[in-house]
This record gives sequence, C-alpha cells and structure tokens, in this order.
Amino acid sequence: NAGVMQNPRHLVRRRGQEARLRCSPMKGHSHVYWYRQLPEEGLKFMVYLQKENIIDESGMPKERFSAEFPKEGPSILRIQQVVRGDSAAYFCASSPPGGGAFFGQGTRLTVV
Amino acid sequence: QKEVEQNSGPLSVPEGAIASLNCTYSDRVSQSFFWYRQYSGKSPELIMSIYSNGDKEDGRFTAQLNKASQYVSLLIRDSQPSDSATYLCAVSPRAANDYKLSFGAGTTVTVRA
Repeated sequence: NAGVMQNPRHLVRRRGQEARLRCSPMKGHSHVYWYRQLPEEGLKFMVYLQKENIIDESGMPKERFSAEFPKEGPSILRIQQVVRGDSAAYFCASSPPGGGAFFGQGTRLTVV
Repeated sequence: QKEVEQNSGPLSVPEGAIASLNCTYSDRVSQSFFWYRQYSGKSPELIMSIYSNGDKEDGRFTAQLNKASQYVSLLIRDSQPSDSATYLCAVSPRAANDYKLSFGAGTTVTVRA
C-alpha cells in the first residue's frame, strides 16, 4: 500500500508564474489536507477536502490560491501569480476513517 | 488564543532520560489527539494517537490526555539520540463533518549522547 504521493518534490517558479502541486492520497482514504510550512515554523492548515467537495478552506489565502480534489485523479493545490512569500514546503496528508493523518513527502516551492 | 499551544523549546535531555512534552488546546469539542515527529527537512510522521482520558503507552512513548484540563502530553522514556526531532501536537474535533486537524508550533527535542 503506497503512502501519500506528492509531486513534484521540488518546484522552482519565477515570480508571476503558476505553481501546481499534486497529491494522491493513500488507498482507501477519501479525505485530503493541505498544509504549508515555512522554515523553522509550524504547520499552517490551508484546506481540507473530500472528493469533489471542499469541507474547510478557512486557511486558504483569499486570492491566488485554490484547491480541488476531483472524482478521478489527484488533489491539486494551485497557486497563481506566485510571489517570493509563497516559498515554503507544502504538505499533503490523507486521513483514514479511524483518525489521524498521514503525510506525503512534501513539495518544496521556491519562487525566484 | 492559539488553538493548540505547546511548551516552548528547545528541550535538551541527556540520553536515557525522560523527555516530557506538553500541549494545551482551546476547543472543548476536540475529540482526537495526535503526536507527530518531524525530523529536519522531512515530513511529519504520526507516532501516537489518543482519544480517551488517561494514558496510552506504545513502546517508549506514553501519551496522556485530560479533557477536563484540555491538556495532552507525550513522554519519551529512555531517550535516544535518534529521538532528536521536532514533536508536533495535533487536535481534531471529529464532529459530524468537521475533521480539521490543527497543529501546535512544535517542540524541538535534542537528546545529548
């Protein structure tokens, strides 16, 4: 049973470009979380989704950020017109019915 | 007030000692509690979950939960250098459609050989 798969592991974008981060949950998990982590800081909740439904997006910036989890395929976190302040590690986690969340390896986004 | 607060670190303990990590949470409806370990540059790894008041032991780790005091702790017995990491406390309401997992800022533990 493969773990949570995120890709790419590292992503470099120039200011103003779009970043697309992908996450495939563990088999049998229907819920996905996205978190952002800045160096030396904790995990900041961004959004919680189940297939075709956003449950909680209270941590998502109102502009430039969006997330989806389609019926088929991975969950996508999309950042439009990236700025330097978007540079961070973005972690995806998936949740089983019993509780807890299992994290992917993360995508390190660098905006230059 | 932050949703989840952890005792400030870093925490330095000698090898073989007990490391004690504390966490308080603000939302009384919280039902599920988790401890994660994160090595530098790596992703968080779930090491303990606890749902009922009392103690839960797993190897050298013991989680303690007191819902009345809104307090959860993690004890690491016989600390090893490999335990040096940041430990994150996470809390979830697990209500009907609210599974948001909120994290504390983490406590960094260094085990001295």
